[in-house]
Amino acid sequence: QKEVEQNSGPLSVPEGAIASLNCTYSDRVSQSFFWYRQYSGKSPELIMSIYSNGDKEDGRFTAQLNKASQYVSLLIRDSQPSDSATYLCAVNNAGNMLTFGGGTRLMVKP
Amino acid sequence: NAGVTQTPKFRILKIGQSMTLQCTQDMNHNYMYWYRQDPGMGLKLIYYSVGAGITDKGEVPNGYNVSRSTTEDFPLRLELAAPSQTSVYFCASSQPYLNTEAFFGQGTRLTVV
Repeated sequence: QKEVEQNSGPLSVPEGAIASLNCTYSDRVSQSFFWYRQYSGKSPELIMSIYSNGDKEDGRFTAQLNKASQYVSLLIRDSQPSDSATYLCAVNNAGNMLTFGGGTRLMVKP
Repeated sequence: NAGVTQTPKFRILKIGQSMTLQCTQDMNHNYMYWYRQDPGMGLKLIYYSVGAGITDKGEVPNGYNVSRSTTEDFPLRLELAAPSQTSVYFCASSQPYLNTEAFFGQGTRLTVV
């Protein structure tokens, strides 16, 4: 069974700090990796995608991928209370099926 | 630009009743998906379709059926509703390329009592 694992949290960080969210996956042939943000009662929305080993930066967000370790992470710099949400890691394998992790709940305290 | 539209937004069903959750997309996406999300949990794939006339089971298909007669529509049928099907259901669609995101509908909150 292909699995995507995340710590459910909650991860609590003070406003202005760096939030670090982690995700591991079991299927070695996975090729595309996505981070979705989901506010309570809302649908998931894409915030970052990454396909190659290394870092990818977009504003305050940085996605990191290490295929050898089967590990993908999301860093949020200068965290804001509006970043408080559940962050879902999703992995796309060759069949173009997205498998989601259980999500990590992030709380940014003013 | 509507994207992915789901109806209804909310529904209460009695045990044993049946219903169809509607999903339509206007982006001409080949791939469509149905996920369920239980409270505090991630998304679990119920069924997916790679094109009109083609459907396949996901991780948790029992108790559900789907059809895909057109590119735009992908309804999810619940037969003999059970309390274990109480959940939020999300429909999504994507292009048939590896490095492409999925777009989600706003969800249907279903309660079976």
